[in-house]
Formats: sequence, C-alpha cells, structure tokens
Amino acid sequence: DTGVSQDPRHKITKRGQNVTFRCDPISEHNRLYWYRQTLGQGPEFLTYFQNEAQLEKSRLLSDRFSAERPKGSFSTLEIQRTEQGDSAMYLCASSLVRTGENIQYFGAGTRLSVL
Amino acid sequence: AQKITQTQPGMFVQEKEAVTLDCTYDTSDQSYGLFWYKQPSSGEMIFLIYQGSYDEQNATEGRYSLNFQKARKSANLVISASQLGDSAMYFCAMRGNPFSGNTPLVFGKGTRLSVIA
Repeated sequence: DTGVSQDPRHKITKRGQNVTFRCDPISEHNRLYWYRQTLGQGPEFLTYFQNEAQLEKSRLLSDRFSAERPKGSFSTLEIQRTEQGDSAMYLCASSLVRTGENIQYFGAGTRLSVL
Repeated sequence: AQKITQTQPGMFVQEKEAVTLDCTYDTSDQSYGLFWYKQPSSGEMIFLIYQGSYDEQNATEGRYSLNFQKARKSANLVISASQLGDSAMYFCAMRGNPFSGNTPLVFGKGTRLSVIA
C-alpha cells in the first residue's frame, strides 16, 4: 500500500494527557498537511510542511499543538494537556508540488476522543 | 479569503440515476483549484476530481464530472449512473495558487448522498 498512512486510527485519552499522532506520506511527496475535522463539518487546515520546513500554521493551532517533520519524511502531531474540545478526527494529507494541480491525498485519519 | 458553500445537507438518488451536488466558491485569486472528495463512513477522504481555474474544459473522471461555471463561481459535481457504494459525504474544496503558498484546502460543510436501491 503506497497511500498516506496514519497511526493510530483511534485514540481515547483522559483530559490533561498528551497524545501524539503519526503520518507517513506518499513517498516522494514533498508537502504534508494536517487538518482537523469535527462532527458535521468539513476538514479545517492546521499546518503544513514542505520537506522538513513548517511553512504555515493556522490560528487553530494553539500553543498546545506542535507538529514536526524530521528529515522531510513522516510527520508527528502532538497535543499537550488535551481538552475535551480537542476531540475530533485528525487527517493528514500529502501532495507533490511540481505541477499546478497539487492534489492532496488523504490518510484514513486518527479519531481522538478526550474523556 | 476563500470560501466554499454547499447548500444541500442531504440528497437522495435512485440507483442508476444521475445526481448533481452543488458547490459555489468565493475567492479573489486569479489562479485556483477546485476539488471534490468523497468521505465514506470509514472516514478516509477520497479524491475524486480536480478542476483548475484556467482549464477551459470541464473535468471528467469516469462517472464523475465537474460542471465548472467560472462566471457564476460554481463547481457542481455530477455523478452518473449512481451506485449503492456512492452513498457517502461529499466535500467540495478549493485552494489558491500553490506556487504562491496558497496551498491549504478550504472545504465546504459537505453533502450527504444516499443512494436508494
């Protein structure tokens, strides 16, 4: 399978705990994105990387959120001191910016439940 | 700022019939891209079709076609010969010029399509 892979698929945690999600993009894709999707809404952009550089962060990304993409390969999204409002689906996508299309391909997501 | 509006929260279609899902957009960018994604109950966002703002012809991918009307700022998805497996949420999305950094996708709220046997 050469698609975008996300791990874990589901995470249940208690309020105040830290959680970390991993995303493995399609190989040779140079851009990697994180989105958050709450129930009944479309995904909302959080942040994206080009290779290892984090180029943009949404104002949705509070200080408790941090993302990394070491060596421009996989990426991690960490949420510190989780709150119930963090409960959502976290989606990762990757794309290759070489043509004008820049189509983003998504993983299956990590569903976070904060109790 | 970019905005996507999907006015149909839910749609029903008979199996083997065609259905149109509406999408209007707003942007001040001259160069932009429009996308449709399908999200089954499993949660994965599946890319369906892409239309560039400078493409003169409407995009088609198998049973999917995008009815692009630039002056009206609409990008409706047409699904022909609906199948039971087409039942899912459908999201319209757009992004600006990727070479000027306007890469993140902006999504609408989605339309839930139910195909009836």
